[in-house]
Amino acid sequence: GAVVSQHPSWVICKSGTSVKIECRSLDFQATTMFWYRQFPKQSLMLMATSNEGSKATYEQGVEKDKFLINHASLTLSTLTVTSAHPEDSSFYICSALTSGRSYEQYFGPGTRLTVT
Amino acid sequence: AQSVSQHNHHVILSEAASLELGCNYSYGGTVNLFWYVQYPGQHLQLLLKYFSGDPLVKGIKGFEAEFIKSKFSFNLRKPSVQWSDTAEYFCAVGLDSNYQLIWGAGTKLIIKP
Repeated sequence: GAVVSQHPSWVICKSGTSVKIECRSLDFQATTMFWYRQFPKQSLMLMATSNEGSKATYEQGVEKDKFLINHASLTLSTLTVTSAHPEDSSFYICSALTSGRSYEQYFGPGTRLTVT
Repeated sequence: AQSVSQHNHHVILSEAASLELGCNYSYGGTVNLFWYVQYPGQHLQLLLKYFSGDPLVKGIKGFEAEFIKSKFSFNLRKPSVQWSDTAEYFCAVGLDSNYQLIWGAGTKLIIKP
């Protein structure tokens, strides 16, 4: 149980375009989802926390107008990278919390974004 | 600012060797402690966790970790590693009742067959 999927697993886009990444909890309801960015040889950097039905809370230094997060249902959160630039190329990972298993996050497989 | 440090970025061991990966955090309040593992090409998965109670916790695949409050540490151990333990290991700490985690930089473990 507690499976989280992400789509797409990898995407290549041109500078200036927008990319949407989906994060789904497949067999549980996720009241809270997190979006992370992972740089090569570095740890996970929390970008934002999203709660179903409310606005996401962004970490300091993360542009909320650039990284749009929508958590419209208890099983789906989306991250849209708007007007992507090469420096946005990274590995984006989502995780989800369930109300029944507090504090334990379940991770998606990640999405590799390459902006050319 | 609160932080989590993992002492070794790379560890190389032979099969059957004993393993200990260090994790220290800087926070004086209540913590929830986690070790996550990322096998090559796979997503992060929980290895073990500590919320309260017995400071020696056992996880999957023969791993265990000990919370030593006085040392602000939560080191991961395994008495005899296998080639399949090759992976990257992350220590993460949740502060008080906060769901957000602070992550260590990770330790890449390579087991030589």
